[in-house]
Amino acid sequence: EAGVTQFPSHSVIEKGQTVTLRCDPISGHDNLYWYRRVMGKEIKFLLHFVKESKQDESGMPNNRFLAERTGGTYSTLKVQPAELEDSGVYFCASSPGGNQPQHFGDGTRLSIL
Amino acid sequence: QQPVQSPQAVILREGEDAVINCSSSKALYSVHWYRQKHGEAPVFLMILLKGGEQKGHEKISASFNEKKQQSSLYLTASQLSYSGTYFCGTEIVNDYKLSFGAGTTVTVRA
Repeated sequence: EAGVTQFPSHSVIEKGQTVTLRCDPISGHDNLYWYRRVMGKEIKFLLHFVKESKQDESGMPNNRFLAERTGGTYSTLKVQPAELEDSGVYFCASSPGGNQPQHFGDGTRLSIL
Repeated sequence: QQPVQSPQAVILREGEDAVINCSSSKALYSVHWYRQKHGEAPVFLMILLKGGEQKGHEKISASFNEKKQQSSLYLTASQLSYSGTYFCGTEIVNDYKLSFGAGTTVTVRA
């Protein structure tokens, strides 16, 4: 069984540019989560999809972040325009249902210059 | 809302034991434990639901004290492969998102 895959593994962009991160969950997992770890800080929740619907987006920092999950399969997280404080590692996780183990991808390391 | 983990770091020799603690100020529905090696995905170890159960994974086990809102992860007879950063993720009742602790870095030396 393929795990959660994220693309790209590393992205370096300049402040003000746009970046789109992609996450492919484990096949059959309806629940998809985005988390972020800023340097030296804890991993923090961003949002939770159940199929294509946003169940909880309370962790999204501001309206520069837009997450989508069209068709309930893969998800994208767009940052537009990127700011310096957006640098960090963005993790995606998926699970078959709520309150079940969340399986994480390797993360996308985002560096804003 | 983030749980508090302790200690921040621990260094062990092969075969030694260690305990990692995770405390929350909020009532918890479950606690999830992960181990992450540098540059890799956090790997799920175990989940504990409220009820005070204890679980095990090889020689790694954990307990959950619902009344104290605490969980402990026990590394027994540690192996080199146990090195990494351990995170606890806590889940509030009816809230599926995880809040993570700052992590505990475990280094096991031969």
